[in-house]
Amino acid sequence: ILNVEQSPQSLHVQEGDSTNFTCSFPSSNFYALHWYRWETAKSPEALFVMTLNGDEKKKGRISATLNTKEGYSYLYIKGSQPEDSATYLCAFPGGGNKLTFGTGTQLKVEL
Amino acid sequence: EADIYQTPRYLVIGTGKKITLECSQTMGHDKMYWYQQDPGMELHLIHYSYGVNSTEKGDLSSESTVSRIRTEHFPLTLESARPSHTSQYLCASSDIVEGEKLFFGSGTQLSVL
Repeated sequence: ILNVEQSPQSLHVQEGDSTNFTCSFPSSNFYALHWYRWETAKSPEALFVMTLNGDEKKKGRISATLNTKEGYSYLYIKGSQPEDSATYLCAFPGGGNKLTFGTGTQLKVEL
Repeated sequence: EADIYQTPRYLVIGTGKKITLECSQTMGHDKMYWYQQDPGMELHLIHYSYGVNSTEKGDLSSESTVSRIRTEHFPLTLESARPSHTSQYLCASSDIVEGEKLFFGSGTQLSVL
């Protein structure tokens, strides 16, 4: 069973703050690293699928970086808004795209 | 917008009943998955399928069974529900063209009394 760890477990920030979370994964046999956003009462939604060491992806105010050699990825949110409140999950695929998910970082953005 | 549908959204049922959770996708994806999540815990893969007539058990042991007779349909069945089956069940699909990112359904919250 793969070990995927996320930190922090939860985070409260004020509107306008920038924030970041960490995902740690096995550095051997790397294939890809997924990030998902899961808003309450909705389905998890894919943010990024990252495959290359040093890769950086961006979607609006959200960006992610990847270090496959040391086994971590950072997710950044610039200028947090209340609509960014969600649980952010990272996932690491084993064979055949069978994803192992972390427990997530629960973000609450307050006015 | 993801075209993957799960029904029912919520289900409360008594012990011993047989239940089927439905999952359908209209994207033509070959791969489909069932994940289970208990409160405060990770999503755990319980079943997956790479195509018609292909089903495999996931990393988390489950008493449920699945079938894949059609590409678009991947139902999950519990022959005799027990309180320990109370959980959230999420269906997903993926395709190599989309980088294998998962498209999730809205989930079924199952409560067994």
